Amino acid sequence: AQKVTQAQTEISVVEKEDVTLDCVYETRDTTYYLFWYKQPPSGELVFLIRRNSFDEQNEISGRYSWNFQKSTSSFNFTITASQVVDSAVYFCALLNAGGTSYGKLTFGQGTILTVHP
Amino acid sequence: NAGVTQTPKFRILKIGQSMTLQCAQDMNHNYMYWYRQDPGMGLKLIYYSVGAGITDKGEVPNGYNVSRSTTEDFPLRLELAAPSQTSVYFCASKVGAEPGANVLTFGAGSRLTVL
Repeated sequence: AQKVTQAQTEISVVEKEDVTLDCVYETRDTTYYLFWYKQPPSGELVFLIRRNSFDEQNEISGRYSWNFQKSTSSFNFTITASQVVDSAVYFCALLNAGGTSYGKLTFGQGTILTVHP
Repeated sequence: NAGVTQTPKFRILKIGQSMTLQCAQDMNHNYMYWYRQDPGMGLKLIYYSVGAGITDKGEVPNGYNVSRSTTEDFPLRLELAAPSQTSVYFCASKVGAEPGANVLTFGAGSRLTVL
């Protein structure tokens, strides 16, 4: 069975601080995908990134960066120079690529990020 | 391009009432899903479907039923509403099983309160 753990329930920072959201996953599959979603106060789920298990290259997109380490089963998300608009709930999720997974995502519990002005 | 449309956005039910949450997608996606989101618990899969006429249980199916008579629609039915079903419900879809097509598109959510 697969599992995703986001150990930080809530994080509070002041604008312009850097913040890292942790994600640790468990899976027996060798081929899988990891995701981050953002849920702003309006409630919709916004896709941020997808990573497959064979690509450990870190990725940067503007102020967002992701660090994927298979050795520690972690897929951490860093926001540099945080802004108030980054305030949201962030979810890490796992998808096994096997034929019987049918695209079912396993979500972590979510991390509530609050960025204060 | 509407994507995934959920109705209603909000609903209050009394214990024991029944209702159907509607989900429709216009992207010709084969795979559709229903998740529920409880505070501090992330999203849990209720039911999913890999095509018209094919549905299967997810992690938390008790108290719910689904049907998939068309590719576009995937309604979720609550037969006897209970307070434990108070939650935000998300419908999602994706093209199919291809590894390159596994980014889900989510609806805006339906907030259900059972009193």
